[in-house]
Amino acid sequence: AQTVTQSQPEMSVQEAETVTLSCTYDTSESDYYLFWYKQPPSRQMILVIRQEAYKQQNATENRFSVNFQKAAKSFSLKISDSQLGDAAMYFCAYRLPYTGANSKLTFGKGITLSVRP
Amino acid sequence: EAQVTQNPRYLITVTGKKLTVTCSQNMNHEYMSWYRQDPGLGLRQIYYSMNVEVTDKGDVPEGYKVSRKEKRNFPLILESPSPNQTSLYFCASSLSAGASYEQYFGPGTRLTVT
Repeated sequence: AQTVTQSQPEMSVQEAETVTLSCTYDTSESDYYLFWYKQPPSRQMILVIRQEAYKQQNATENRFSVNFQKAAKSFSLKISDSQLGDAAMYFCAYRLPYTGANSKLTFGKGITLSVRP
Repeated sequence: EAQVTQNPRYLITVTGKKLTVTCSQNMNHEYMSWYRQDPGLGLRQIYYSMNVEVTDKGDVPEGYKVSRKEKRNFPLILESPSPNQTSLYFCASSLSAGASYEQYFGPGTRLTVT
């Protein structure tokens, strides 16, 4: 079974600085998708960024980028120029590209990011 | 506006009193799913539906039922709620079940069972 591990329960960053959130996963599959979701205090789940395992290039979305290390099964999120609105819980998630029973998202436990003004 | 809606947003109930949490999407999505979120556990899938009349269990289905009679609606039913079902519940939908399709989440339902 696939598992997603986020070992840091909390992190803090100074406004305008850069922070990296760690995620590792375990799978025997070669093709899969990885995601980072943001959950602000409103509880809404917001997709931040997505990485396809067959793509070697790391995904970027404005201030958000990932460091995808397939051999190490590592998928970290880097937030540059941190803003107060980035304060939230962040979830790393994994999904297989198939239809059927494996189409669920498998989530890590989440990490709470606080941003200091 | 494309969205997934859930009702109610907050619910406090007592053990054994049947309840239904509704979920509706207006994007003509085939795939719908329910997750529960618990502290220190992340989100876990309860049930999912590939299309109308096609549902299956996720990782934590015990104590829950679902139905998919219409494409847009996917209610979550707790026949006899217990305190261990106190949680934050999310409904999600996507165009299809493949991972390339983004899952859209509802706003969440905070359920407390006393």
